[in-house]
Amino acid sequence: AQSVAQPEDQVNVAEGNPLTVKCTYSVSGNPYLFWYVQYPNRGLQFLLKYITGDNLVKGSYGFEAEFNKSQTSFHLKKPSALVSDSALYFCAVRDGTGTYKYIFGTGTRLKVLA
Amino acid sequence: NAGVMQNPRHLVRRRGQEARLRCSPVKGHSHVYWYRQLPEEGLKFMVYLQKENIIDESGMPKERFSAEFPKEGPSILRIQQVVRGDSAAYFCASSPEAQGGETQYFGPGTRLLVL
Repeated sequence: AQSVAQPEDQVNVAEGNPLTVKCTYSVSGNPYLFWYVQYPNRGLQFLLKYITGDNLVKGSYGFEAEFNKSQTSFHLKKPSALVSDSALYFCAVRDGTGTYKYIFGTGTRLKVLA
Repeated sequence: NAGVMQNPRHLVRRRGQEARLRCSPVKGHSHVYWYRQLPEEGLKFMVYLQKENIIDESGMPKERFSAEFPKEGPSILRIQQVVRGDSAAYFCASSPEAQGGETQYFGPGTRLLVL
């Protein structure tokens, strides 16, 4: 069965410092991996995805993620955090069994401190 | 260029009443997904629909919940005889195709509160 793990409930980082939000996955077959961000009382906004190709994927708002097949990880990164990046981040894997529904991780709350 | 629209944004119901949640997908998208989010949790898949067809409802509770996506009009998630445990945020997402690499675009959600 497909699954996603986000091992950290919360990540704190100082403004201007690099940030990493971790995600590991378990899939059968080729993984389709996604990152979304959720601001309070809002829907999810798409950040980036990995389908195939380069392991380093660049997305919106300066975020990027590195696909590591051997470690089955897809960590989200940003070189310099902003206070406005504070939000809830979700990693998701696409179910490859036919319906392509998303399976979400439990989310990581990012707090960027001024 | 309207995104996914959901209404109402907030819905308050008393136990035993019915809740109807509407979702208008991105124009041209024919695939709709519904997810439920409990406080401080991730999103859980409920149902996947194409126009006039339910493709996968494996995440839907067996009773009281139903969904439809008619040929014309929005997709509807219907919860009959609501209970307090139904209180959650319900998100709709749409995509133009149902392939592995397709991005799903999410609406702002409907926050249901059952008193």
